[in-house]
Amino acid sequence: DIQMTQSPSILSAFVGDRVTITCRASQNINEWLAWYQQRPGKAPKLLIYKASTLENGVPSRFSGSGSGTEFTLTISSLQPDDFAIYYCQQYNSYSWTFGQGTKVTIK
Amino acid sequence: EAHLMESGGGLVQPGGSRRLSCEASGLTFSNYEMNWLRQTPERGLEWIANISTGGSITHYADSVKGRFTISRDNGKHSLYLQMNSLRAEDTAVYYCASGRDCINVGCQNAAYFQFWGHGTVVTVSS
Repeated sequence: DIQMTQSPSILSAFVGDRVTITCRASQNINEWLAWYQQRPGKAPKLLIYKASTLENGVPSRFSGSGSGTEFTLTISSLQPDDFAIYYCQQYNSYSWTFGQGTKVTIK
Repeated sequence: EAHLMESGGGLVQPGGSRRLSCEASGLTFSNYEMNWLRQTPERGLEWIANISTGGSITHYADSVKGRFTISRDNGKHSLYLQMNSLRAEDTAVYYCASGRDCINVGCQNAAYFQFWGHGTVVTVSS
C-alpha cells in the first residue's frame, strides 16, 4: 500500500495566519490526491481533489498544490471555523490510503 | 442536498457478525460508486470497501477481505456492509461515503469521497 505522511502532526496558529500542511506519498501518485477537513464529532468533509481542484462550496482561502510525491494544503487566512484536523488521501491505486492527520489548533 | 445515514452499529462479541446499512437521499444513488470507511484513534481513517454503481464490482482492503461484504440495493437507495468473524481491531466508527457522480461527472480517476454519513460505532468486545 502507498503510505501517506503528513507534517506537522499538530500546528498552532492565530486567526488570520497563513497555514501550510505537507503530505508526502511513498511513491508517485501523479495528481490523485484529495484533502479533507474533520471537525470534532463530525465526518470528514471533502475540500480539494485532484491535488488542486476546490470542491464546490469550499472557501477560496483553501488551496492545494503538488504532484508526484509531495503536496501542500494552504489556508491563506485562518478563520475560527478552520480549527480542525486535516487529512490527505491518495487515490492513485488500491488500497486508497490516508495520511495520519494534521491538527490545527488555536495559538 | 445529499444525505447519507448509517445504522446498525452496536456491541458485538468477537467472532460475531453485524450488518451495517446506509440510506441515501438527495442524490441519484445509482449514479454513484459507494464506499465504507472506518476510523479509530489508533489507525486513523481507513478505506475498507468499494462497490460499483451497479453493484457487480467490489474492492476490499486486505484487513477485511474475506470477512466483510459490501452490497447495495439501488431501488432502496441503500448500501450495506455485512461484517463476519469480527475482531477487537474492527472496533471503529464506520462511515459510508459516496464517490463522484459517474454518469454526469465521470468517476474515472475520481476515487475520493464526496459525501459522507455521520458514522455508526461498532464495538467488538466480550
